[in-house]
Amino acid sequence: DQQVKQNSPSLSVQEGRISILNCDYTNSMFDYFLWYKKYPAEGPTFLISISSIKDKNEDGRFTVFLNKSAKHLSLHIVPSQPGDSAVYFCAASDWRAQKLVFGQGTRLTINP
Amino acid sequence: NAGVTQTPKFRILKIGQSMTLQCTQDMNHNYMYWYRQDPGMGLKLIYYSVGAGITDKGEVPNGYNVSRSTTEDFPLRLELAAPSQTSVYFCASSYDRELDGYTFGSGTRLTVV
Repeated sequence: DQQVKQNSPSLSVQEGRISILNCDYTNSMFDYFLWYKKYPAEGPTFLISISSIKDKNEDGRFTVFLNKSAKHLSLHIVPSQPGDSAVYFCAASDWRAQKLVFGQGTRLTINP
Repeated sequence: NAGVTQTPKFRILKIGQSMTLQCTQDMNHNYMYWYRQDPGMGLKLIYYSVGAGITDKGEVPNGYNVSRSTTEDFPLRLELAAPSQTSVYFCASSYDRELDGYTFGSGTRLTVV
């Protein structure tokens, strides 16, 4: 019963182009969504988040879009840089739970 | 400011052995968590704590135990190691409901043979 799903295990993008990472969820109680980035041999680090009262949140090159009716969110990285190569985890929670549920992760590779 | 410190970084255990994974944070965070990450899988919550003296089970608690005697420390105990517990373990902490503020340790890679 995977409540948060990232169906693409890997993604390869050319430097300078847009990277789009997708995430689907099944629990309609989720109202807060986050993206974490993970480099090898390091713990995940927080990247960007969005509340269910919004449909878009932007932070520099990173934008997260939320489509509540489709239970889908996406992370856009523009322009993609070699340092963006990492594993990206989508996570979700509802405020009452104070626990994050993570997706399986997508390995993003930015090619020069 | 060290953040979240996990020890050891690597460990090989034999089936049936026991060990404790250590986790310490110096940010005065109330909430602490233990996750495991298996290949191709997301992070699964093992146990969490909302403050000293309070712990609760997550998604995959079987085979593990925790304690929270102080705000700073949240050790994870494996009593009878099994090959299914081969994984990378991450400890994290956060201050109350600040979900953006999950700080993770660098992980412990455990192999049970």
